[in-house]
Amino acid sequence: GAVVSQHPSWVICKSGTSVKIECRSLDFQATTMFWYRQFPKQSLMLMATSNEGSKATYEQGVEKDKFLINHASLTLSTLTVTSAHPEDSSFYICSARDLRVAQPQHFGDGTRLSIL
Amino acid sequence: EDKVVQSPLSLVVHEGDTVTLNCSYEVTNFRSLLWYKQEKKAPTFLFMLTSSGIEKKSGRLSSILDKKELFSILNITATQTGDSAVYLCAGTWGGSEKLVFGKGTKLTVNP
Repeated sequence: GAVVSQHPSWVICKSGTSVKIECRSLDFQATTMFWYRQFPKQSLMLMATSNEGSKATYEQGVEKDKFLINHASLTLSTLTVTSAHPEDSSFYICSARDLRVAQPQHFGDGTRLSIL
Repeated sequence: EDKVVQSPLSLVVHEGDTVTLNCSYEVTNFRSLLWYKQEKKAPTFLFMLTSSGIEKKSGRLSSILDKKELFSILNITATQTGDSAVYLCAGTWGGSEKLVFGKGTKLTVNP
């Protein structure tokens, strides 16, 4: 149980392109989803927290106009990296949990984003 | 100052060895501590600890929390090459659901 699917797993695109990453909870309802970024050999850094049906809460230093988050349903959240540049290249990971029950965050498999 | 500090950052052992990974955390409004294993992709959940002194066990892995000394350990007995991974410790504080991760311990198990 508690499966989180993330798509795509790998994206390579040109500078200036916008890229959308999807995060789905497959067998539970995710009241809350989290988006992390991980640079090589470093730990996960939380970018933002999204609650279903409301605006995302961004961590300090994360540009909300650059990283658009939408959490329109209890099973889907999307992260759009707008006008991506090479410095946005990273590993993006989402996690999800249902705050109504006692459970840990479960992670998707991540998306490796490479901007040329 | 880091809220979660893991040690060692890197560890190389031989198959069959027992390893202990450490995680210390900031005390103010601490609520829970979690361990994850990360191989090539995203972290997979191992344990969540909220109470002091109660060991959680899953096969060859076990973990315990010491709220007095503000740390947790993750033990792996009879290590196998498949245990090679980065082990991440994370905490939650207060009413927030945010996970704050440590830098991780990279474990390499050689045959």
